[in-house]
Amino acid sequence: GAVVSQHPSWVICKSGTSVKIECRSLDFQATTMFWYRQFPKQSLMLMATSNEGSKATYEQGVEKDKFLINHASLTLSTLTVTSAHPEDSSFYICSARLTGKGVAFFGQGTRLTVV
Amino acid sequence: SQQGEEDPQALSIQEGENATMNCSYKTSINNLQWYRQNSGRGLVHLILIRSNEREKHSGRLRVTLDTSKKSSSLLITASRAADTASYFCAAATQGGSEKLVFGKGTKLTVNP
Repeated sequence: GAVVSQHPSWVICKSGTSVKIECRSLDFQATTMFWYRQFPKQSLMLMATSNEGSKATYEQGVEKDKFLINHASLTLSTLTVTSAHPEDSSFYICSARLTGKGVAFFGQGTRLTVV
Repeated sequence: SQQGEEDPQALSIQEGENATMNCSYKTSINNLQWYRQNSGRGLVHLILIRSNEREKHSGRLRVTLDTSKKSSSLLITASRAADTASYFCAAATQGGSEKLVFGKGTKLTVNP
């Protein structure tokens, strides 16, 4: 299957700093990428949908100024957690699709810990 | 919340037994997908069933879909210890950019 690479796999940062997470589709062009957040032992919550070359569409309750998403090319989307706080600590996962529909391929996830 | 429910939340069985997990969803869908997640890792796609399909097989996996009840089931036959993981259903919503709305997941433990 298609490969989606997410980096870093884990990061620890201090409160108030910003963290960037990258999501790359390695062997296909992804018109749409998705960012999810997962709390321990819980399901994935969709944060935003990212389309190449346009602004991301955020889900209700997700602060777009706090979680900056950039999808500058068909193979790369980034999520920047700005002014991170301990409550932002979570597992963040991206996914990418070949087209607008169908199977999504997931990155390995990023464990963010804000201290 | 758009999230569906999965049943059971946790399931523990012996190797060789079958494991059945159920999922309900709330929206109209294009398809329903099942994913597997090992602890602290990303998700791996298992199988996709379209809204006009009722049953689908892939190896030891069997998926059913009942759109009238907005429910799906995943059956893993002849389970192995390596099947131990969390399993999530994801409803692919209709309209616009198709989103995947995930269920709460079932944590499956297969004991050797």
